[in-house]
Amino acid sequence: EVQLVESGGGLVQPGGSLRLSCAASGFTFSSYEMNWVRQAPGKGLEWVSYISSSGSTIYYADSVKGRFTISRDNAKNSLYLQMNSLRAEDTAVYYCARAVGGSLTWGQGTLVTVSS
Amino acid sequence: DIQMTQSPSSLSASVGDRVTITCQASQDISNYLNWYQQKPGKAPKLLIYDASNLETGVPSRFSGSGSGTDFTFTISSLQPEDIATYYCQQYDNLPMYTFGQGTKLEIK
Repeated sequence: EVQLVESGGGLVQPGGSLRLSCAASGFTFSSYEMNWVRQAPGKGLEWVSYISSSGSTIYYADSVKGRFTISRDNAKNSLYLQMNSLRAEDTAVYYCARAVGGSLTWGQGTLVTVSS
Repeated sequence: DIQMTQSPSSLSASVGDRVTITCQASQDISNYLNWYQQKPGKAPKLLIYDASNLETGVPSRFSGSGSGTDFTFTISSLQPEDIATYYCQQYDNLPMYTFGQGTKLEIK
């Protein structure tokens, strides 16, 4: 069974940093493209970032470009999102999601709250 | 960028009703469209992929249709457990995904 377990969320002040992790199990992690998708409280879904199976290709949404960094460690079956210069509008539940073609399988999410 | 316009934003229906949600793409996306169900406090779950294909294990009362720019998601007979928010998602310009605004479905 595919399992994706996010961690690392919490309360951070504006301008601060946070690193999210996603532990994968139940599949060959190194063979799959991965993404981060977020959902602000009471709002819809917003794609944040993509990383290829090898980690060689990366994309970001314009809203986080230059502030967030996606990475992965295939030896540890783990996906990461380093978030810097956080803003109030980054407050959201962050999901890691495995991609198969255009379809996504999601973890349970971790809440990031940016507030003073 | 491809924009997805989903309607209605909310919908109230009775158990047993036929429910229809539409999603319109800002440009031709062929059949590169999925539908997800999200229950409160939970992650989204894939129901329909490639516009009309039912994901394994999903009840047959759920269906999808359409291609190009206009897509439809249907629940043939609404059940109480179908209360959720439903999202369409395009993947014509991978690896960037775009979602519709969501349709919140409630029981009347």
